[in-house]
Amino acid sequence: GEDVEQSLFLSVREGDSSVINCTYTDSSSTYLYWYKQEPGAGLQLLTYIFSNMDMKQDQRLTVLLNKKDKHLSLRIADTQTGDSAIYFCADSLSGGYNKLIFGAGTRLAVHP
Amino acid sequence: DTGVSQDPRHKITKRGQNVTFRCDPISEHNRLYWYRQTLGQGPEFLTYFQNEAQLEKSRLLSDRFSAERPKGSFSTLEIQRTEQGDSAMYLCASSLDMAGGPADTQYFGPGTRLTVL
Repeated sequence: GEDVEQSLFLSVREGDSSVINCTYTDSSSTYLYWYKQEPGAGLQLLTYIFSNMDMKQDQRLTVLLNKKDKHLSLRIADTQTGDSAIYFCADSLSGGYNKLIFGAGTRLAVHP
Repeated sequence: DTGVSQDPRHKITKRGQNVTFRCDPISEHNRLYWYRQTLGQGPEFLTYFQNEAQLEKSRLLSDRFSAERPKGSFSTLEIQRTEQGDSAMYLCASSLDMAGGPADTQYFGPGTRLTVL
């Protein structure tokens, strides 16, 4: 079945860039999403990218999509302590509606 | 701004009891989803409604689980005869179906954390 994989942990220094990576298996993905989850909270949509795009930039966030390798990344520029959270990559399965398949999440720790 | 709301936020129950959760989606959204998230994992799809019709159920949704969306607005998720393995965060999401439009983006509520003792 379809699968999404992420590295589990990333530690960065405040002010540096963070890069969170994700791979997926579905060949017919239409949209791929990045969500952020803070402790005890629901998921906050950060950004998404359509499958015919290579890159999308939104303020401090840059999403890169390599469709050939089925690789997605999220770059956060000038990482702040408030960016500490779990980041989920999600793939939307084709078929008329968006059933999202999530990775296990990458825990981002930002230290001074 | 009225985002997706869920009630209760936390529920502690004893094994064998029934529990019911409520989700109120964003008002104009016609699609509603339930997901379950266990510790250290990403959310897993449970079921999907288009208006009041339940169009898909995951095999994760055993016969002890039932979901409804009677008037195409709020939804309830009931778990009968709860088991310790049901302990998880139950997340609701909603979206607006716009044929030919941009991504059918799902907006999530804060979740209901269920603990079964």
